[in-house]
Amino acid sequence: DQQVKQNSPSLSVQEGRISILNCDYTNSMFDYFLWYKKYPAEGPTFLISISSIKDKNEDGRFTVFLNKSAKHLSLHIVPSQPGDSAVYFCAASEAGGGADGLTFGKGTHLIIQP
Amino acid sequence: DTGVSQDPRHKITKRGQNVTFRCDPISEHNRLYWYRQTLGQGPEFLTYFQNEAQLEKSRLLSDRFSAERPKGSFSTLEIQRTEQGDSAMYLCASNPPGLSTGELFFGEGSRLTVL
Repeated sequence: DQQVKQNSPSLSVQEGRISILNCDYTNSMFDYFLWYKKYPAEGPTFLISISSIKDKNEDGRFTVFLNKSAKHLSLHIVPSQPGDSAVYFCAASEAGGGADGLTFGKGTHLIIQP
Repeated sequence: DTGVSQDPRHKITKRGQNVTFRCDPISEHNRLYWYRQTLGQGPEFLTYFQNEAQLEKSRLLSDRFSAERPKGSFSTLEIQRTEQGDSAMYLCASNPPGLSTGELFFGEGSRLTVL
């Protein structure tokens, strides 16, 4: 059973527009959430994170929103740029710092159209 | 290059053979993780070291798998009697003291193909 779900395998967005990537989770013990970005032939790269005590975290063009009651988070990229084309993974960890490792979703392939 | 280094990048083997992957983490990163990623899936946690101590093992890590980090620096992941289902990308990641354990620095991975 998938504890972290990314229901959109791919998403196409025009350059300059907003990209919104969604993620749902089922484990109520998750309290720390992250987004990773992956280019082909490279390992995932950490992008942004949010703790369950917050509902929003911003870093430049990237904003992550967390809705704990809905067990839903989203990543907004504004404005989208061609270099943002990559696979984005949502990940979560339980309280205690995640020594058990992160639980990842299957990823969403974001394609930025010129 | 001071990133996480993995070797080999690609290994093709026949079913039943043993394979070993090596990971060199970023210097002074005391936490080291192994993940496995199969086609169409996200990375799945396998095991975690803090310095030389293996602190966590996933149920995915069957008894054919063994991981070591003998001196708290590099790590090896060995798969014995490989099966076709072991075909995957094996990712190593590290993490320094003082940083959230979720913010991992991944290597480029070692791709295993079992024929």
